[in-house]
Amino acid sequence: ETGVTQTPRHLVMGMTNKKSLKCEQHLGHNAMYWYKQSAKKPLELMFVYSLEERVENNSVPSRFSPECPNSSHLFLHLHTLQPEDSALYLCASSQAMQPPNEQFFGPGTRLTVL
Amino acid sequence: EDKVVQSPLSLVVHEGDTVTLNCSYEVTNFRSLLWYKQEKKAPTFLFMLTSSGIEKKSGRLSSILDKKELFSILNITATQTGDSAVYLCAVYSGNTGKLIFGQGTTLQVKP
Repeated sequence: ETGVTQTPRHLVMGMTNKKSLKCEQHLGHNAMYWYKQSAKKPLELMFVYSLEERVENNSVPSRFSPECPNSSHLFLHLHTLQPEDSALYLCASSQAMQPPNEQFFGPGTRLTVL
Repeated sequence: EDKVVQSPLSLVVHEGDTVTLNCSYEVTNFRSLLWYKQEKKAPTFLFMLTSSGIEKKSGRLSSILDKKELFSILNITATQTGDSAVYLCAVYSGNTGKLIFGQGTTLQVKP
């Protein structure tokens, strides 16, 4: 498999559930990103990992917890989410974090919080 | 505060028309500007621009950057229904390494 993959593609969860989103990149890149895309709003950068170290968390609530065990895998652990957290969560990777590197996106996980 | 503004926010045209999408930015230590096309899934890369005045082309799409006036345009000629999508502009800040996205322009091409 090539590119950036994400699982699951769709997720419905209650506010008391705990779930995890998974992202995997097969491009040999060194930087990975989590974005949130809500309806009618610009993409919001949530987390950046470069060489497995978190370098930017952008003031995201603690109910979102990222994990990057190696340069190819990135997780987003979710717990006690709110309905306003319903959105498309996109993972991306790039060769390095510093520009002008192009980012490659995964297909996203459509999350609905009831 | 860094920001990227796209216009128009939405656009409806007919097949065969030519459209121009705009992206203006105020970003500290500009490094590059990227254009993406997003249909009902993840964004797909179109162009990356780093130098002023050099047009990049891919088929019916082209883009150019003006670093003096701080904007970029994306042109689509002879539009087709398959061009219907949200077009995203994003700018990299060299200071923060962050990619800042605009709101997107929703293009609908009618047969």
